[in-house]
Amino acid sequence: NAGVTQTPKFQVLKTGQSMTLQCAQDMNHNSMYWYRQDPGMGLRLIYYSASEGTTDKGEVPNGYNVSRLNKREFSLRLESAAPSQTSVYFCASSVDRVDEKLFFGSGTQLSVL
Amino acid sequence: SQQGEEDPQALSIQEGENATMNCSYKTSINNLQWYRQNSGRGLVHLILIRSNEREKHSGRLRVTLDTSKKSSSLLITASRAADTASYFCATASSGTYKYIFGTGTRLKVLA
Repeated sequence: NAGVTQTPKFQVLKTGQSMTLQCAQDMNHNSMYWYRQDPGMGLRLIYYSASEGTTDKGEVPNGYNVSRLNKREFSLRLESAAPSQTSVYFCASSVDRVDEKLFFGSGTQLSVL
Repeated sequence: SQQGEEDPQALSIQEGENATMNCSYKTSINNLQWYRQNSGRGLVHLILIRSNEREKHSGRLRVTLDTSKKSSSLLITASRAADTASYFCATASSGTYKYIFGTGTRLKVLA
């Protein structure tokens, strides 16, 4: 089992460029999440999807869009990258309301110059 | 703002000692979870305690939950060098799936 797979692992962008971070899980989980982690700030929730076809804003959604393409995939898009979006991005998934523990991917390190 | 706040921010102990870290949160919750993160890696789930539970054990881990004080503690007994990591609590307000993490406790276990 691959679990939660994120691509790419590293990315460098110039200010104003756009890109999409991909996340896929093979555990048949219903809920998926995008977090960013900055030094000393812990993890902050960007967007989450409780089930296929639904998405909702988290703590820091500005500057991001998401797509829950199907049950397996949840992508995060930066339309016009800014240096403040330099961070490590983590995707996570969980089964359902009964078993809510999150399974995390290994992260994408993004630098915006 | 963060839902959960851990303290201390950093903790350094000798191998074999116990490590205790605390988490405070702000709203009513369904459950509280603890995660570990090794440097440069993703988070790994350690233990989940539901709002109607007061204490839970898993191996060398002991978690307590006090919903009246909106706080939880994680105790790692007989710590090992391999326990060196950051530890985070995560909660979601009742009725939501918005899991919010605290800022974490950095634990260093000296051999």
